[in-house]
Amino acid sequence: GENVEQHPSTLSVQEGDSAVIKCTYSDSASNYFPWYKQELGKGPQLIIDIRSNVGEKKDQRIAVTLNKTAKHFSLHITETQPEDSAVYFCAASWGYGQNFVFGPGTRLSVLP
Amino acid sequence: GAVVSQHPSRVICKSGTSVKIECRSLDFQATTMFWYRQFPKQSLMLMATSNEGSKATYEQGVEKDKFLINHASLTLSTLTVTSAHPEDSSFYICSASSPSGGAGEQYFGPGTRLTVT
Repeated sequence: GENVEQHPSTLSVQEGDSAVIKCTYSDSASNYFPWYKQELGKGPQLIIDIRSNVGEKKDQRIAVTLNKTAKHFSLHITETQPEDSAVYFCAASWGYGQNFVFGPGTRLSVLP
Repeated sequence: GAVVSQHPSRVICKSGTSVKIECRSLDFQATTMFWYRQFPKQSLMLMATSNEGSKATYEQGVEKDKFLINHASLTLSTLTVTSAHPEDSSFYICSASSPSGGAGEQYFGPGTRLTVT
């Protein structure tokens, strides 16, 4: 089955700096890669996603890149703000909304 | 759009009692709903997948007689924790999915914190 690894497990950056979180997956059949942000005591919130037919996607300060050959994808947050502090989960999926496998999460702290 | 609600947000119950958690997709029809469990500082663990009108598919190690799932309509799924014990205390999160041009996105509810005393 699919296995998703995520690094780093914790990340601290100064406000205004960039943050990068990387995930690798094992199943070449995976074709959908979402990123979720989870704040303490809340459910995960979808912040950006990418499909296997696209190499990069950007939404304001957030971008995701996908390397299908190497089976890894990354989340890039620029100009970080304290409100970006949260746990971020990547996931890999194939099929219609099924077979989601989540990474272990990255705790991001943005220091003012 | 794509809003999923859960009720209750927090529940405290006594050992041996049953608790029902509701998950609703508010602005879309969810062909599939998922139930996850999350322990502190850990990732989400899929418990079961349910499709409207059919029996849920449980992940290995999840007791289907203990965690009853009913997906009665395209907008509502319920999880009932039967004969709850303290080890069932956890954060339960549902998600809903609707296929859209390929792999369907999953949208998560806000979660339910269950404490069994």
